[in-house]
Amino acid sequence: NAGVTQTPKFQVLKTGQSMTLQCAQDMNHEYMSWYRQDPGMGLRLIHYSVGAGITDQGEVPNGYNVSRSTTEDFPLRLLSAAPSQTSVYFCASSPPGRVGQFFGPGTRLTVL
Amino acid sequence: DQQVKQNSPSLSVQEGRISILNCDYTNSMFDYFLWYKKYPAEGPTFLISISSIKDKNEDGRFTVFLNKSAKHLSLHIVPSQPGDSAVYFCAATTSGTYKYIFGTGTRLKVLA
Repeated sequence: NAGVTQTPKFQVLKTGQSMTLQCAQDMNHEYMSWYRQDPGMGLRLIHYSVGAGITDQGEVPNGYNVSRSTTEDFPLRLLSAAPSQTSVYFCASSPPGRVGQFFGPGTRLTVL
Repeated sequence: DQQVKQNSPSLSVQEGRISILNCDYTNSMFDYFLWYKKYPAEGPTFLISISSIKDKNEDGRFTVFLNKSAKHLSLHIVPSQPGDSAVYFCAATTSGTYKYIFGTGTRLKVLA
């Protein structure tokens, strides 16, 4: 099991560029989510999904889009990157029920 | 509006002593709480959790206490080891929502 994988590990964008952060899990987990981590702010939920075809907004969804066409993949799209989106992004997954989430290693994104 | 707060950004403890990390929440609908540990350049890893129907949960050196009336939980690590040096996040959720709200984290340093 690879667990939760994220690509790329590092990315530098210019303001206005678009990109997709990839997240995949091989544990057949129904629940997947995206967080951003900023200094002094902890982990903030961007979007989450409770299964293929079902997504919902978290605490800070503006500027980000998601879709969930398969159980395994949950990409995060930035349509027009802004410097305020400079952050470390984590993807997580978990099976149903009251269990902890498995996190990926993160993607460090810098928007110039 | 910070629904989950960790008011101590950092904590230093001697090896072998007890580490106590605190977390407060404001949303009375939260009924499940988790603690995660995070090393630099890695994703968080799940440590221990507690349901609101309990006031204590223990797993080896880690014990989580929940005081619902005070909306407060704490993580005790006994005895503390240098390998416990990391950032600890508490998180909370409400049954059926799959929305996990994280605190800002506490950096624990265990001194050898």
